[in-house]
Amino acid sequence: QKEVEQDPGPLSVPEGAIVSLNCTYSNSAFQYFMWYRQYSRKGPELLMYTYSSGNKEDGRFTAQVDKSSKYISLFIRDSQPSDSATYLCAMLAPSGGYQKVTFGTGTKLQVIP
Amino acid sequence: EAGVVQSPRYKIIEKKQPVAFWCNPISGHNTLYWYRQNLGQGPELLIRYENEEAVDDSQLPKDRFSAERLKGVDSTLKIQPAELGDSAVYLCASSPRGVRGDTEAFFGQGTRLTVV
Repeated sequence: QKEVEQDPGPLSVPEGAIVSLNCTYSNSAFQYFMWYRQYSRKGPELLMYTYSSGNKEDGRFTAQVDKSSKYISLFIRDSQPSDSATYLCAMLAPSGGYQKVTFGTGTKLQVIP
Repeated sequence: EAGVVQSPRYKIIEKKQPVAFWCNPISGHNTLYWYRQNLGQGPELLIRYENEEAVDDSQLPKDRFSAERLKGVDSTLKIQPAELGDSAVYLCASSPRGVRGDTEAFFGQGTRLTVV
């Protein structure tokens, strides 16, 4: 079993829809939780990070962490065609005096105009 | 401010040949990472530098991969000899110093390697 599980999709939604992207994890040592967006043939770009359980909002994006269930989500409101990309969750756990990151496999999202 | 710069963007080589990738991180970023991303997968860490010191190279296949970060700025990643399974995108990232530095990693556009 992988430490971080993410549905690869693809997920196809109409413009304006609310999108829900999710990851589950098994390592209780994960402390920080990030969401990256990766456009085709580009490097990942950090969207948001959270530390504790609860919600964090940034514009149309809301990150949610439930440590008791080992489950994180990213919600995108009023989705736009420009949101079409692969979304990667990533998590940090202490390792050898540093934080070690583990990425999910990514969910490919397509927003249809 | 310039982002993380990688070169080349694309590279096609025959198996058993050597190849090298170059990365220039964001100015002032002490931490530099090299990742490998296979098709349909998330990035996997190969090596992490704090300034010029490699602090985590546990996932670097040391029989054929090597890396260096002279003077704690630019870095190169080398594969010699390349194998078909090395075909992937090689990403470089950098982050600032600090407790939450790892949450703020900035990625370059990557080098897409194809081994034929």
